[in-house]
Amino acid sequence: DTAVSQTPKYLVTQMGNDKSIKCEQNLGHDTMYWYKQDSKKFLKIMFSYNNKELIINETVPNRFSPKSPDKAHLNLHINSLELGDSAVYFCASSPPAGANVLTFGAGSRLTVL
Amino acid sequence: QKEVEQDPGPLSVPEGAIVSLNCTYSNSAFQYFMWYRQYSRKGPELLMYTYSSGNKEDGRFTAQVDKSSKYISLFIRDSQPSDSATYLCAMERPGTASKLTFGTGTRLQVTL
Repeated sequence: DTAVSQTPKYLVTQMGNDKSIKCEQNLGHDTMYWYKQDSKKFLKIMFSYNNKELIINETVPNRFSPKSPDKAHLNLHINSLELGDSAVYFCASSPPAGANVLTFGAGSRLTVL
Repeated sequence: QKEVEQDPGPLSVPEGAIVSLNCTYSNSAFQYFMWYRQYSRKGPELLMYTYSSGNKEDGRFTAQVDKSSKYISLFIRDSQPSDSATYLCAMERPGTASKLTFGTGTRLQVTL
């Protein structure tokens, strides 16, 4: 059973489009995250939710909007996609007692043409 | 200057070698230190976790933290081709709600 699953794995789209990435975890964790990994492998946090409440919101354009319908799901919607949004987006989750011990999904590779 | 610096490599070693991977950091407030391993086209997975200074050993892996020098290391003994991956260091300040700061990763290749 996959612990943190993301869909889709690959996404190729045109500039200006709107797209969503979905994430689900079956670990019973309270906290979920979105990280962005650029072409140089640099991994940077975008958002963090604890039990559906937004707790970290880094300097990310307003075009990015996370949504957590429940504590097992965290989705990422991106409006008006730009070339610079091309990256691998990772979802992760962590337990309350080990909040900095993250379990990552396999990533969603977004290519904006 | 990035808060966490890591040599991107690639680092190529023969099977059986001892590997040393390192990160330096500038923020003395970091208290939690982690090493993640990332295989190609996969998500990072936690390898080692240490709090403050000291050493921690787990099988062939040893993590060291030297807070006075702002320097952390990961040693891999008897390296195997299956250790070929990118190794990312990560750190966290207390009270930042699990906001990890990652290094850029070192790509390791273990050859037969």
